[in-house]
Amino acid sequence: NAGVTQTPKFRILKIGQSMTLQCTQDMNHNYMYWYRQDPGMGLKLIYYSVGAGITDKGEVPNGYNVSRSTTEDFPLRLELAAPSQTSVYFCASSYMPSGTTDTQYFGPGTRLTVL
Amino acid sequence: DQQVKQNSPSLSVQEGRISILNCDYTNSMFDYFLWYKKYPAEGPTFLISISSIKDKNEDGRFTVFLNKSAKHLSLHIVPSQPGDSAVYFCAARDYSGAGSYQLTFGKGTKLSVIP
Repeated sequence: NAGVTQTPKFRILKIGQSMTLQCTQDMNHNYMYWYRQDPGMGLKLIYYSVGAGITDKGEVPNGYNVSRSTTEDFPLRLELAAPSQTSVYFCASSYMPSGTTDTQYFGPGTRLTVL
Repeated sequence: DQQVKQNSPSLSVQEGRISILNCDYTNSMFDYFLWYKKYPAEGPTFLISISSIKDKNEDGRFTVFLNKSAKHLSLHIVPSQPGDSAVYFCAARDYSGAGSYQLTFGKGTKLSVIP
């Protein structure tokens, strides 16, 4: 099992550009999540999905979009990049709702800089 | 409004001694608490969790204590090892509706174990 994979690892965008951060998991997990981590801060939930075709907003969804057409993939789309979106983005997945003994498994992250 | 607070950004401990990492929370609806460990350039990995109906959970060198009346939890690592040097995030789970749960993360505490 590769677990949770994210591409790209690093990206520099210009203001106003768009991009898609890719996330794939091979554990057949129902639940998937996107977080961002700003320097010196904890992780904040952007969007999550409880299964294919179902997504919902987290704490900081503005400026992002997601889709979940398959169980494995959960891409995050930035339409008009802004400097405030400079951050490290983590994708995670879990079999059950987060918490308990079934935890969230995280990808290695994508470091995004918007100039 | 931070619902999960880790007030110590960093902690240094001698190898072999005890490391104590603290976490406070404000939301009494949290039902599970988790600790994640994060090395540089990697995603967080699950360490240990505790249900809100318990006051202690132990797993090898790691023990988490929960004081519900004080809304405080702590992670004890005994004995501390250089490989424990990482950023530790406290996270708390609450129900977000439609059968889904969300995790709220603290800002993290960077632990350095000195050989």
